[in-house]
Amino acid sequence: ETAVFQTPNYHVTQVGNEVSFNCKQTLGHDTMYWYKQDSKKLLKIMFSYNNKQLIVNETVPRRFSPQSSDKAHLNLRIKSVEPEDSAVYLCASRDRGDEQYFGPGTRLTVL
Amino acid sequence: SQWGEENLQALSIQEGEDVTMNCSYKTYTTVVHWYRQDSGRGPALIILIRSNEREKRSGRLRATLDTSSQSSSLSITAAQCEDTAVYFCATDRTGGYKVVFGSGTRLLVSP
Repeated sequence: ETAVFQTPNYHVTQVGNEVSFNCKQTLGHDTMYWYKQDSKKLLKIMFSYNNKQLIVNETVPRRFSPQSSDKAHLNLRIKSVEPEDSAVYLCASRDRGDEQYFGPGTRLTVL
Repeated sequence: SQWGEENLQALSIQEGEDVTMNCSYKTYTTVVHWYRQDSGRGPALIILIRSNEREKRSGRLRATLDTSSQSSSLSITAAQCEDTAVYFCATDRTGGYKVVFGSGTRLLVSP
């Protein structure tokens, strides 16, 4: 049963455009994350939030900006996308037992 | 064995065989997660083993943790076709805010 929802499922765009991805969790968790998964399946954390506050901001280009309106929502905006941004972006939330629950991902293709 | 920037490992076995996937990590961790990712979906936690545990079982799955050698393993007994997936180990020492994933093992179980 899906409890972490991501939209859109897919997005194709041109270099230089701006894109936004949305994530919502209905589990009541305080902590949420954005991960990037490349074509080799390598998963790297980008950001983590706890109760709307940014906790971890990995070495991510400044064109990426997370936004959290409340602890159930964590969005990701990318200004001026570049070809290397093509990847699957995965949102997750975490319970107090350390288990992370992932959404299905948003596949971004930059032409 | 999987970690970091290494390429995705691949294992191919027959249904009914046992298989073990290994994970070595570079820095101290308080917990090792094992996730499986099915095609087109986000990762899902299958076993979590903490630093004070040496072994954990869940059905046909068995995880081990050796903190002295900084390694963990995941074994599947009598693998079935539905065990086909990519398996990741992940470590964390930040209380859940920065979980670091290994490079993954793609397991193919054939009938």
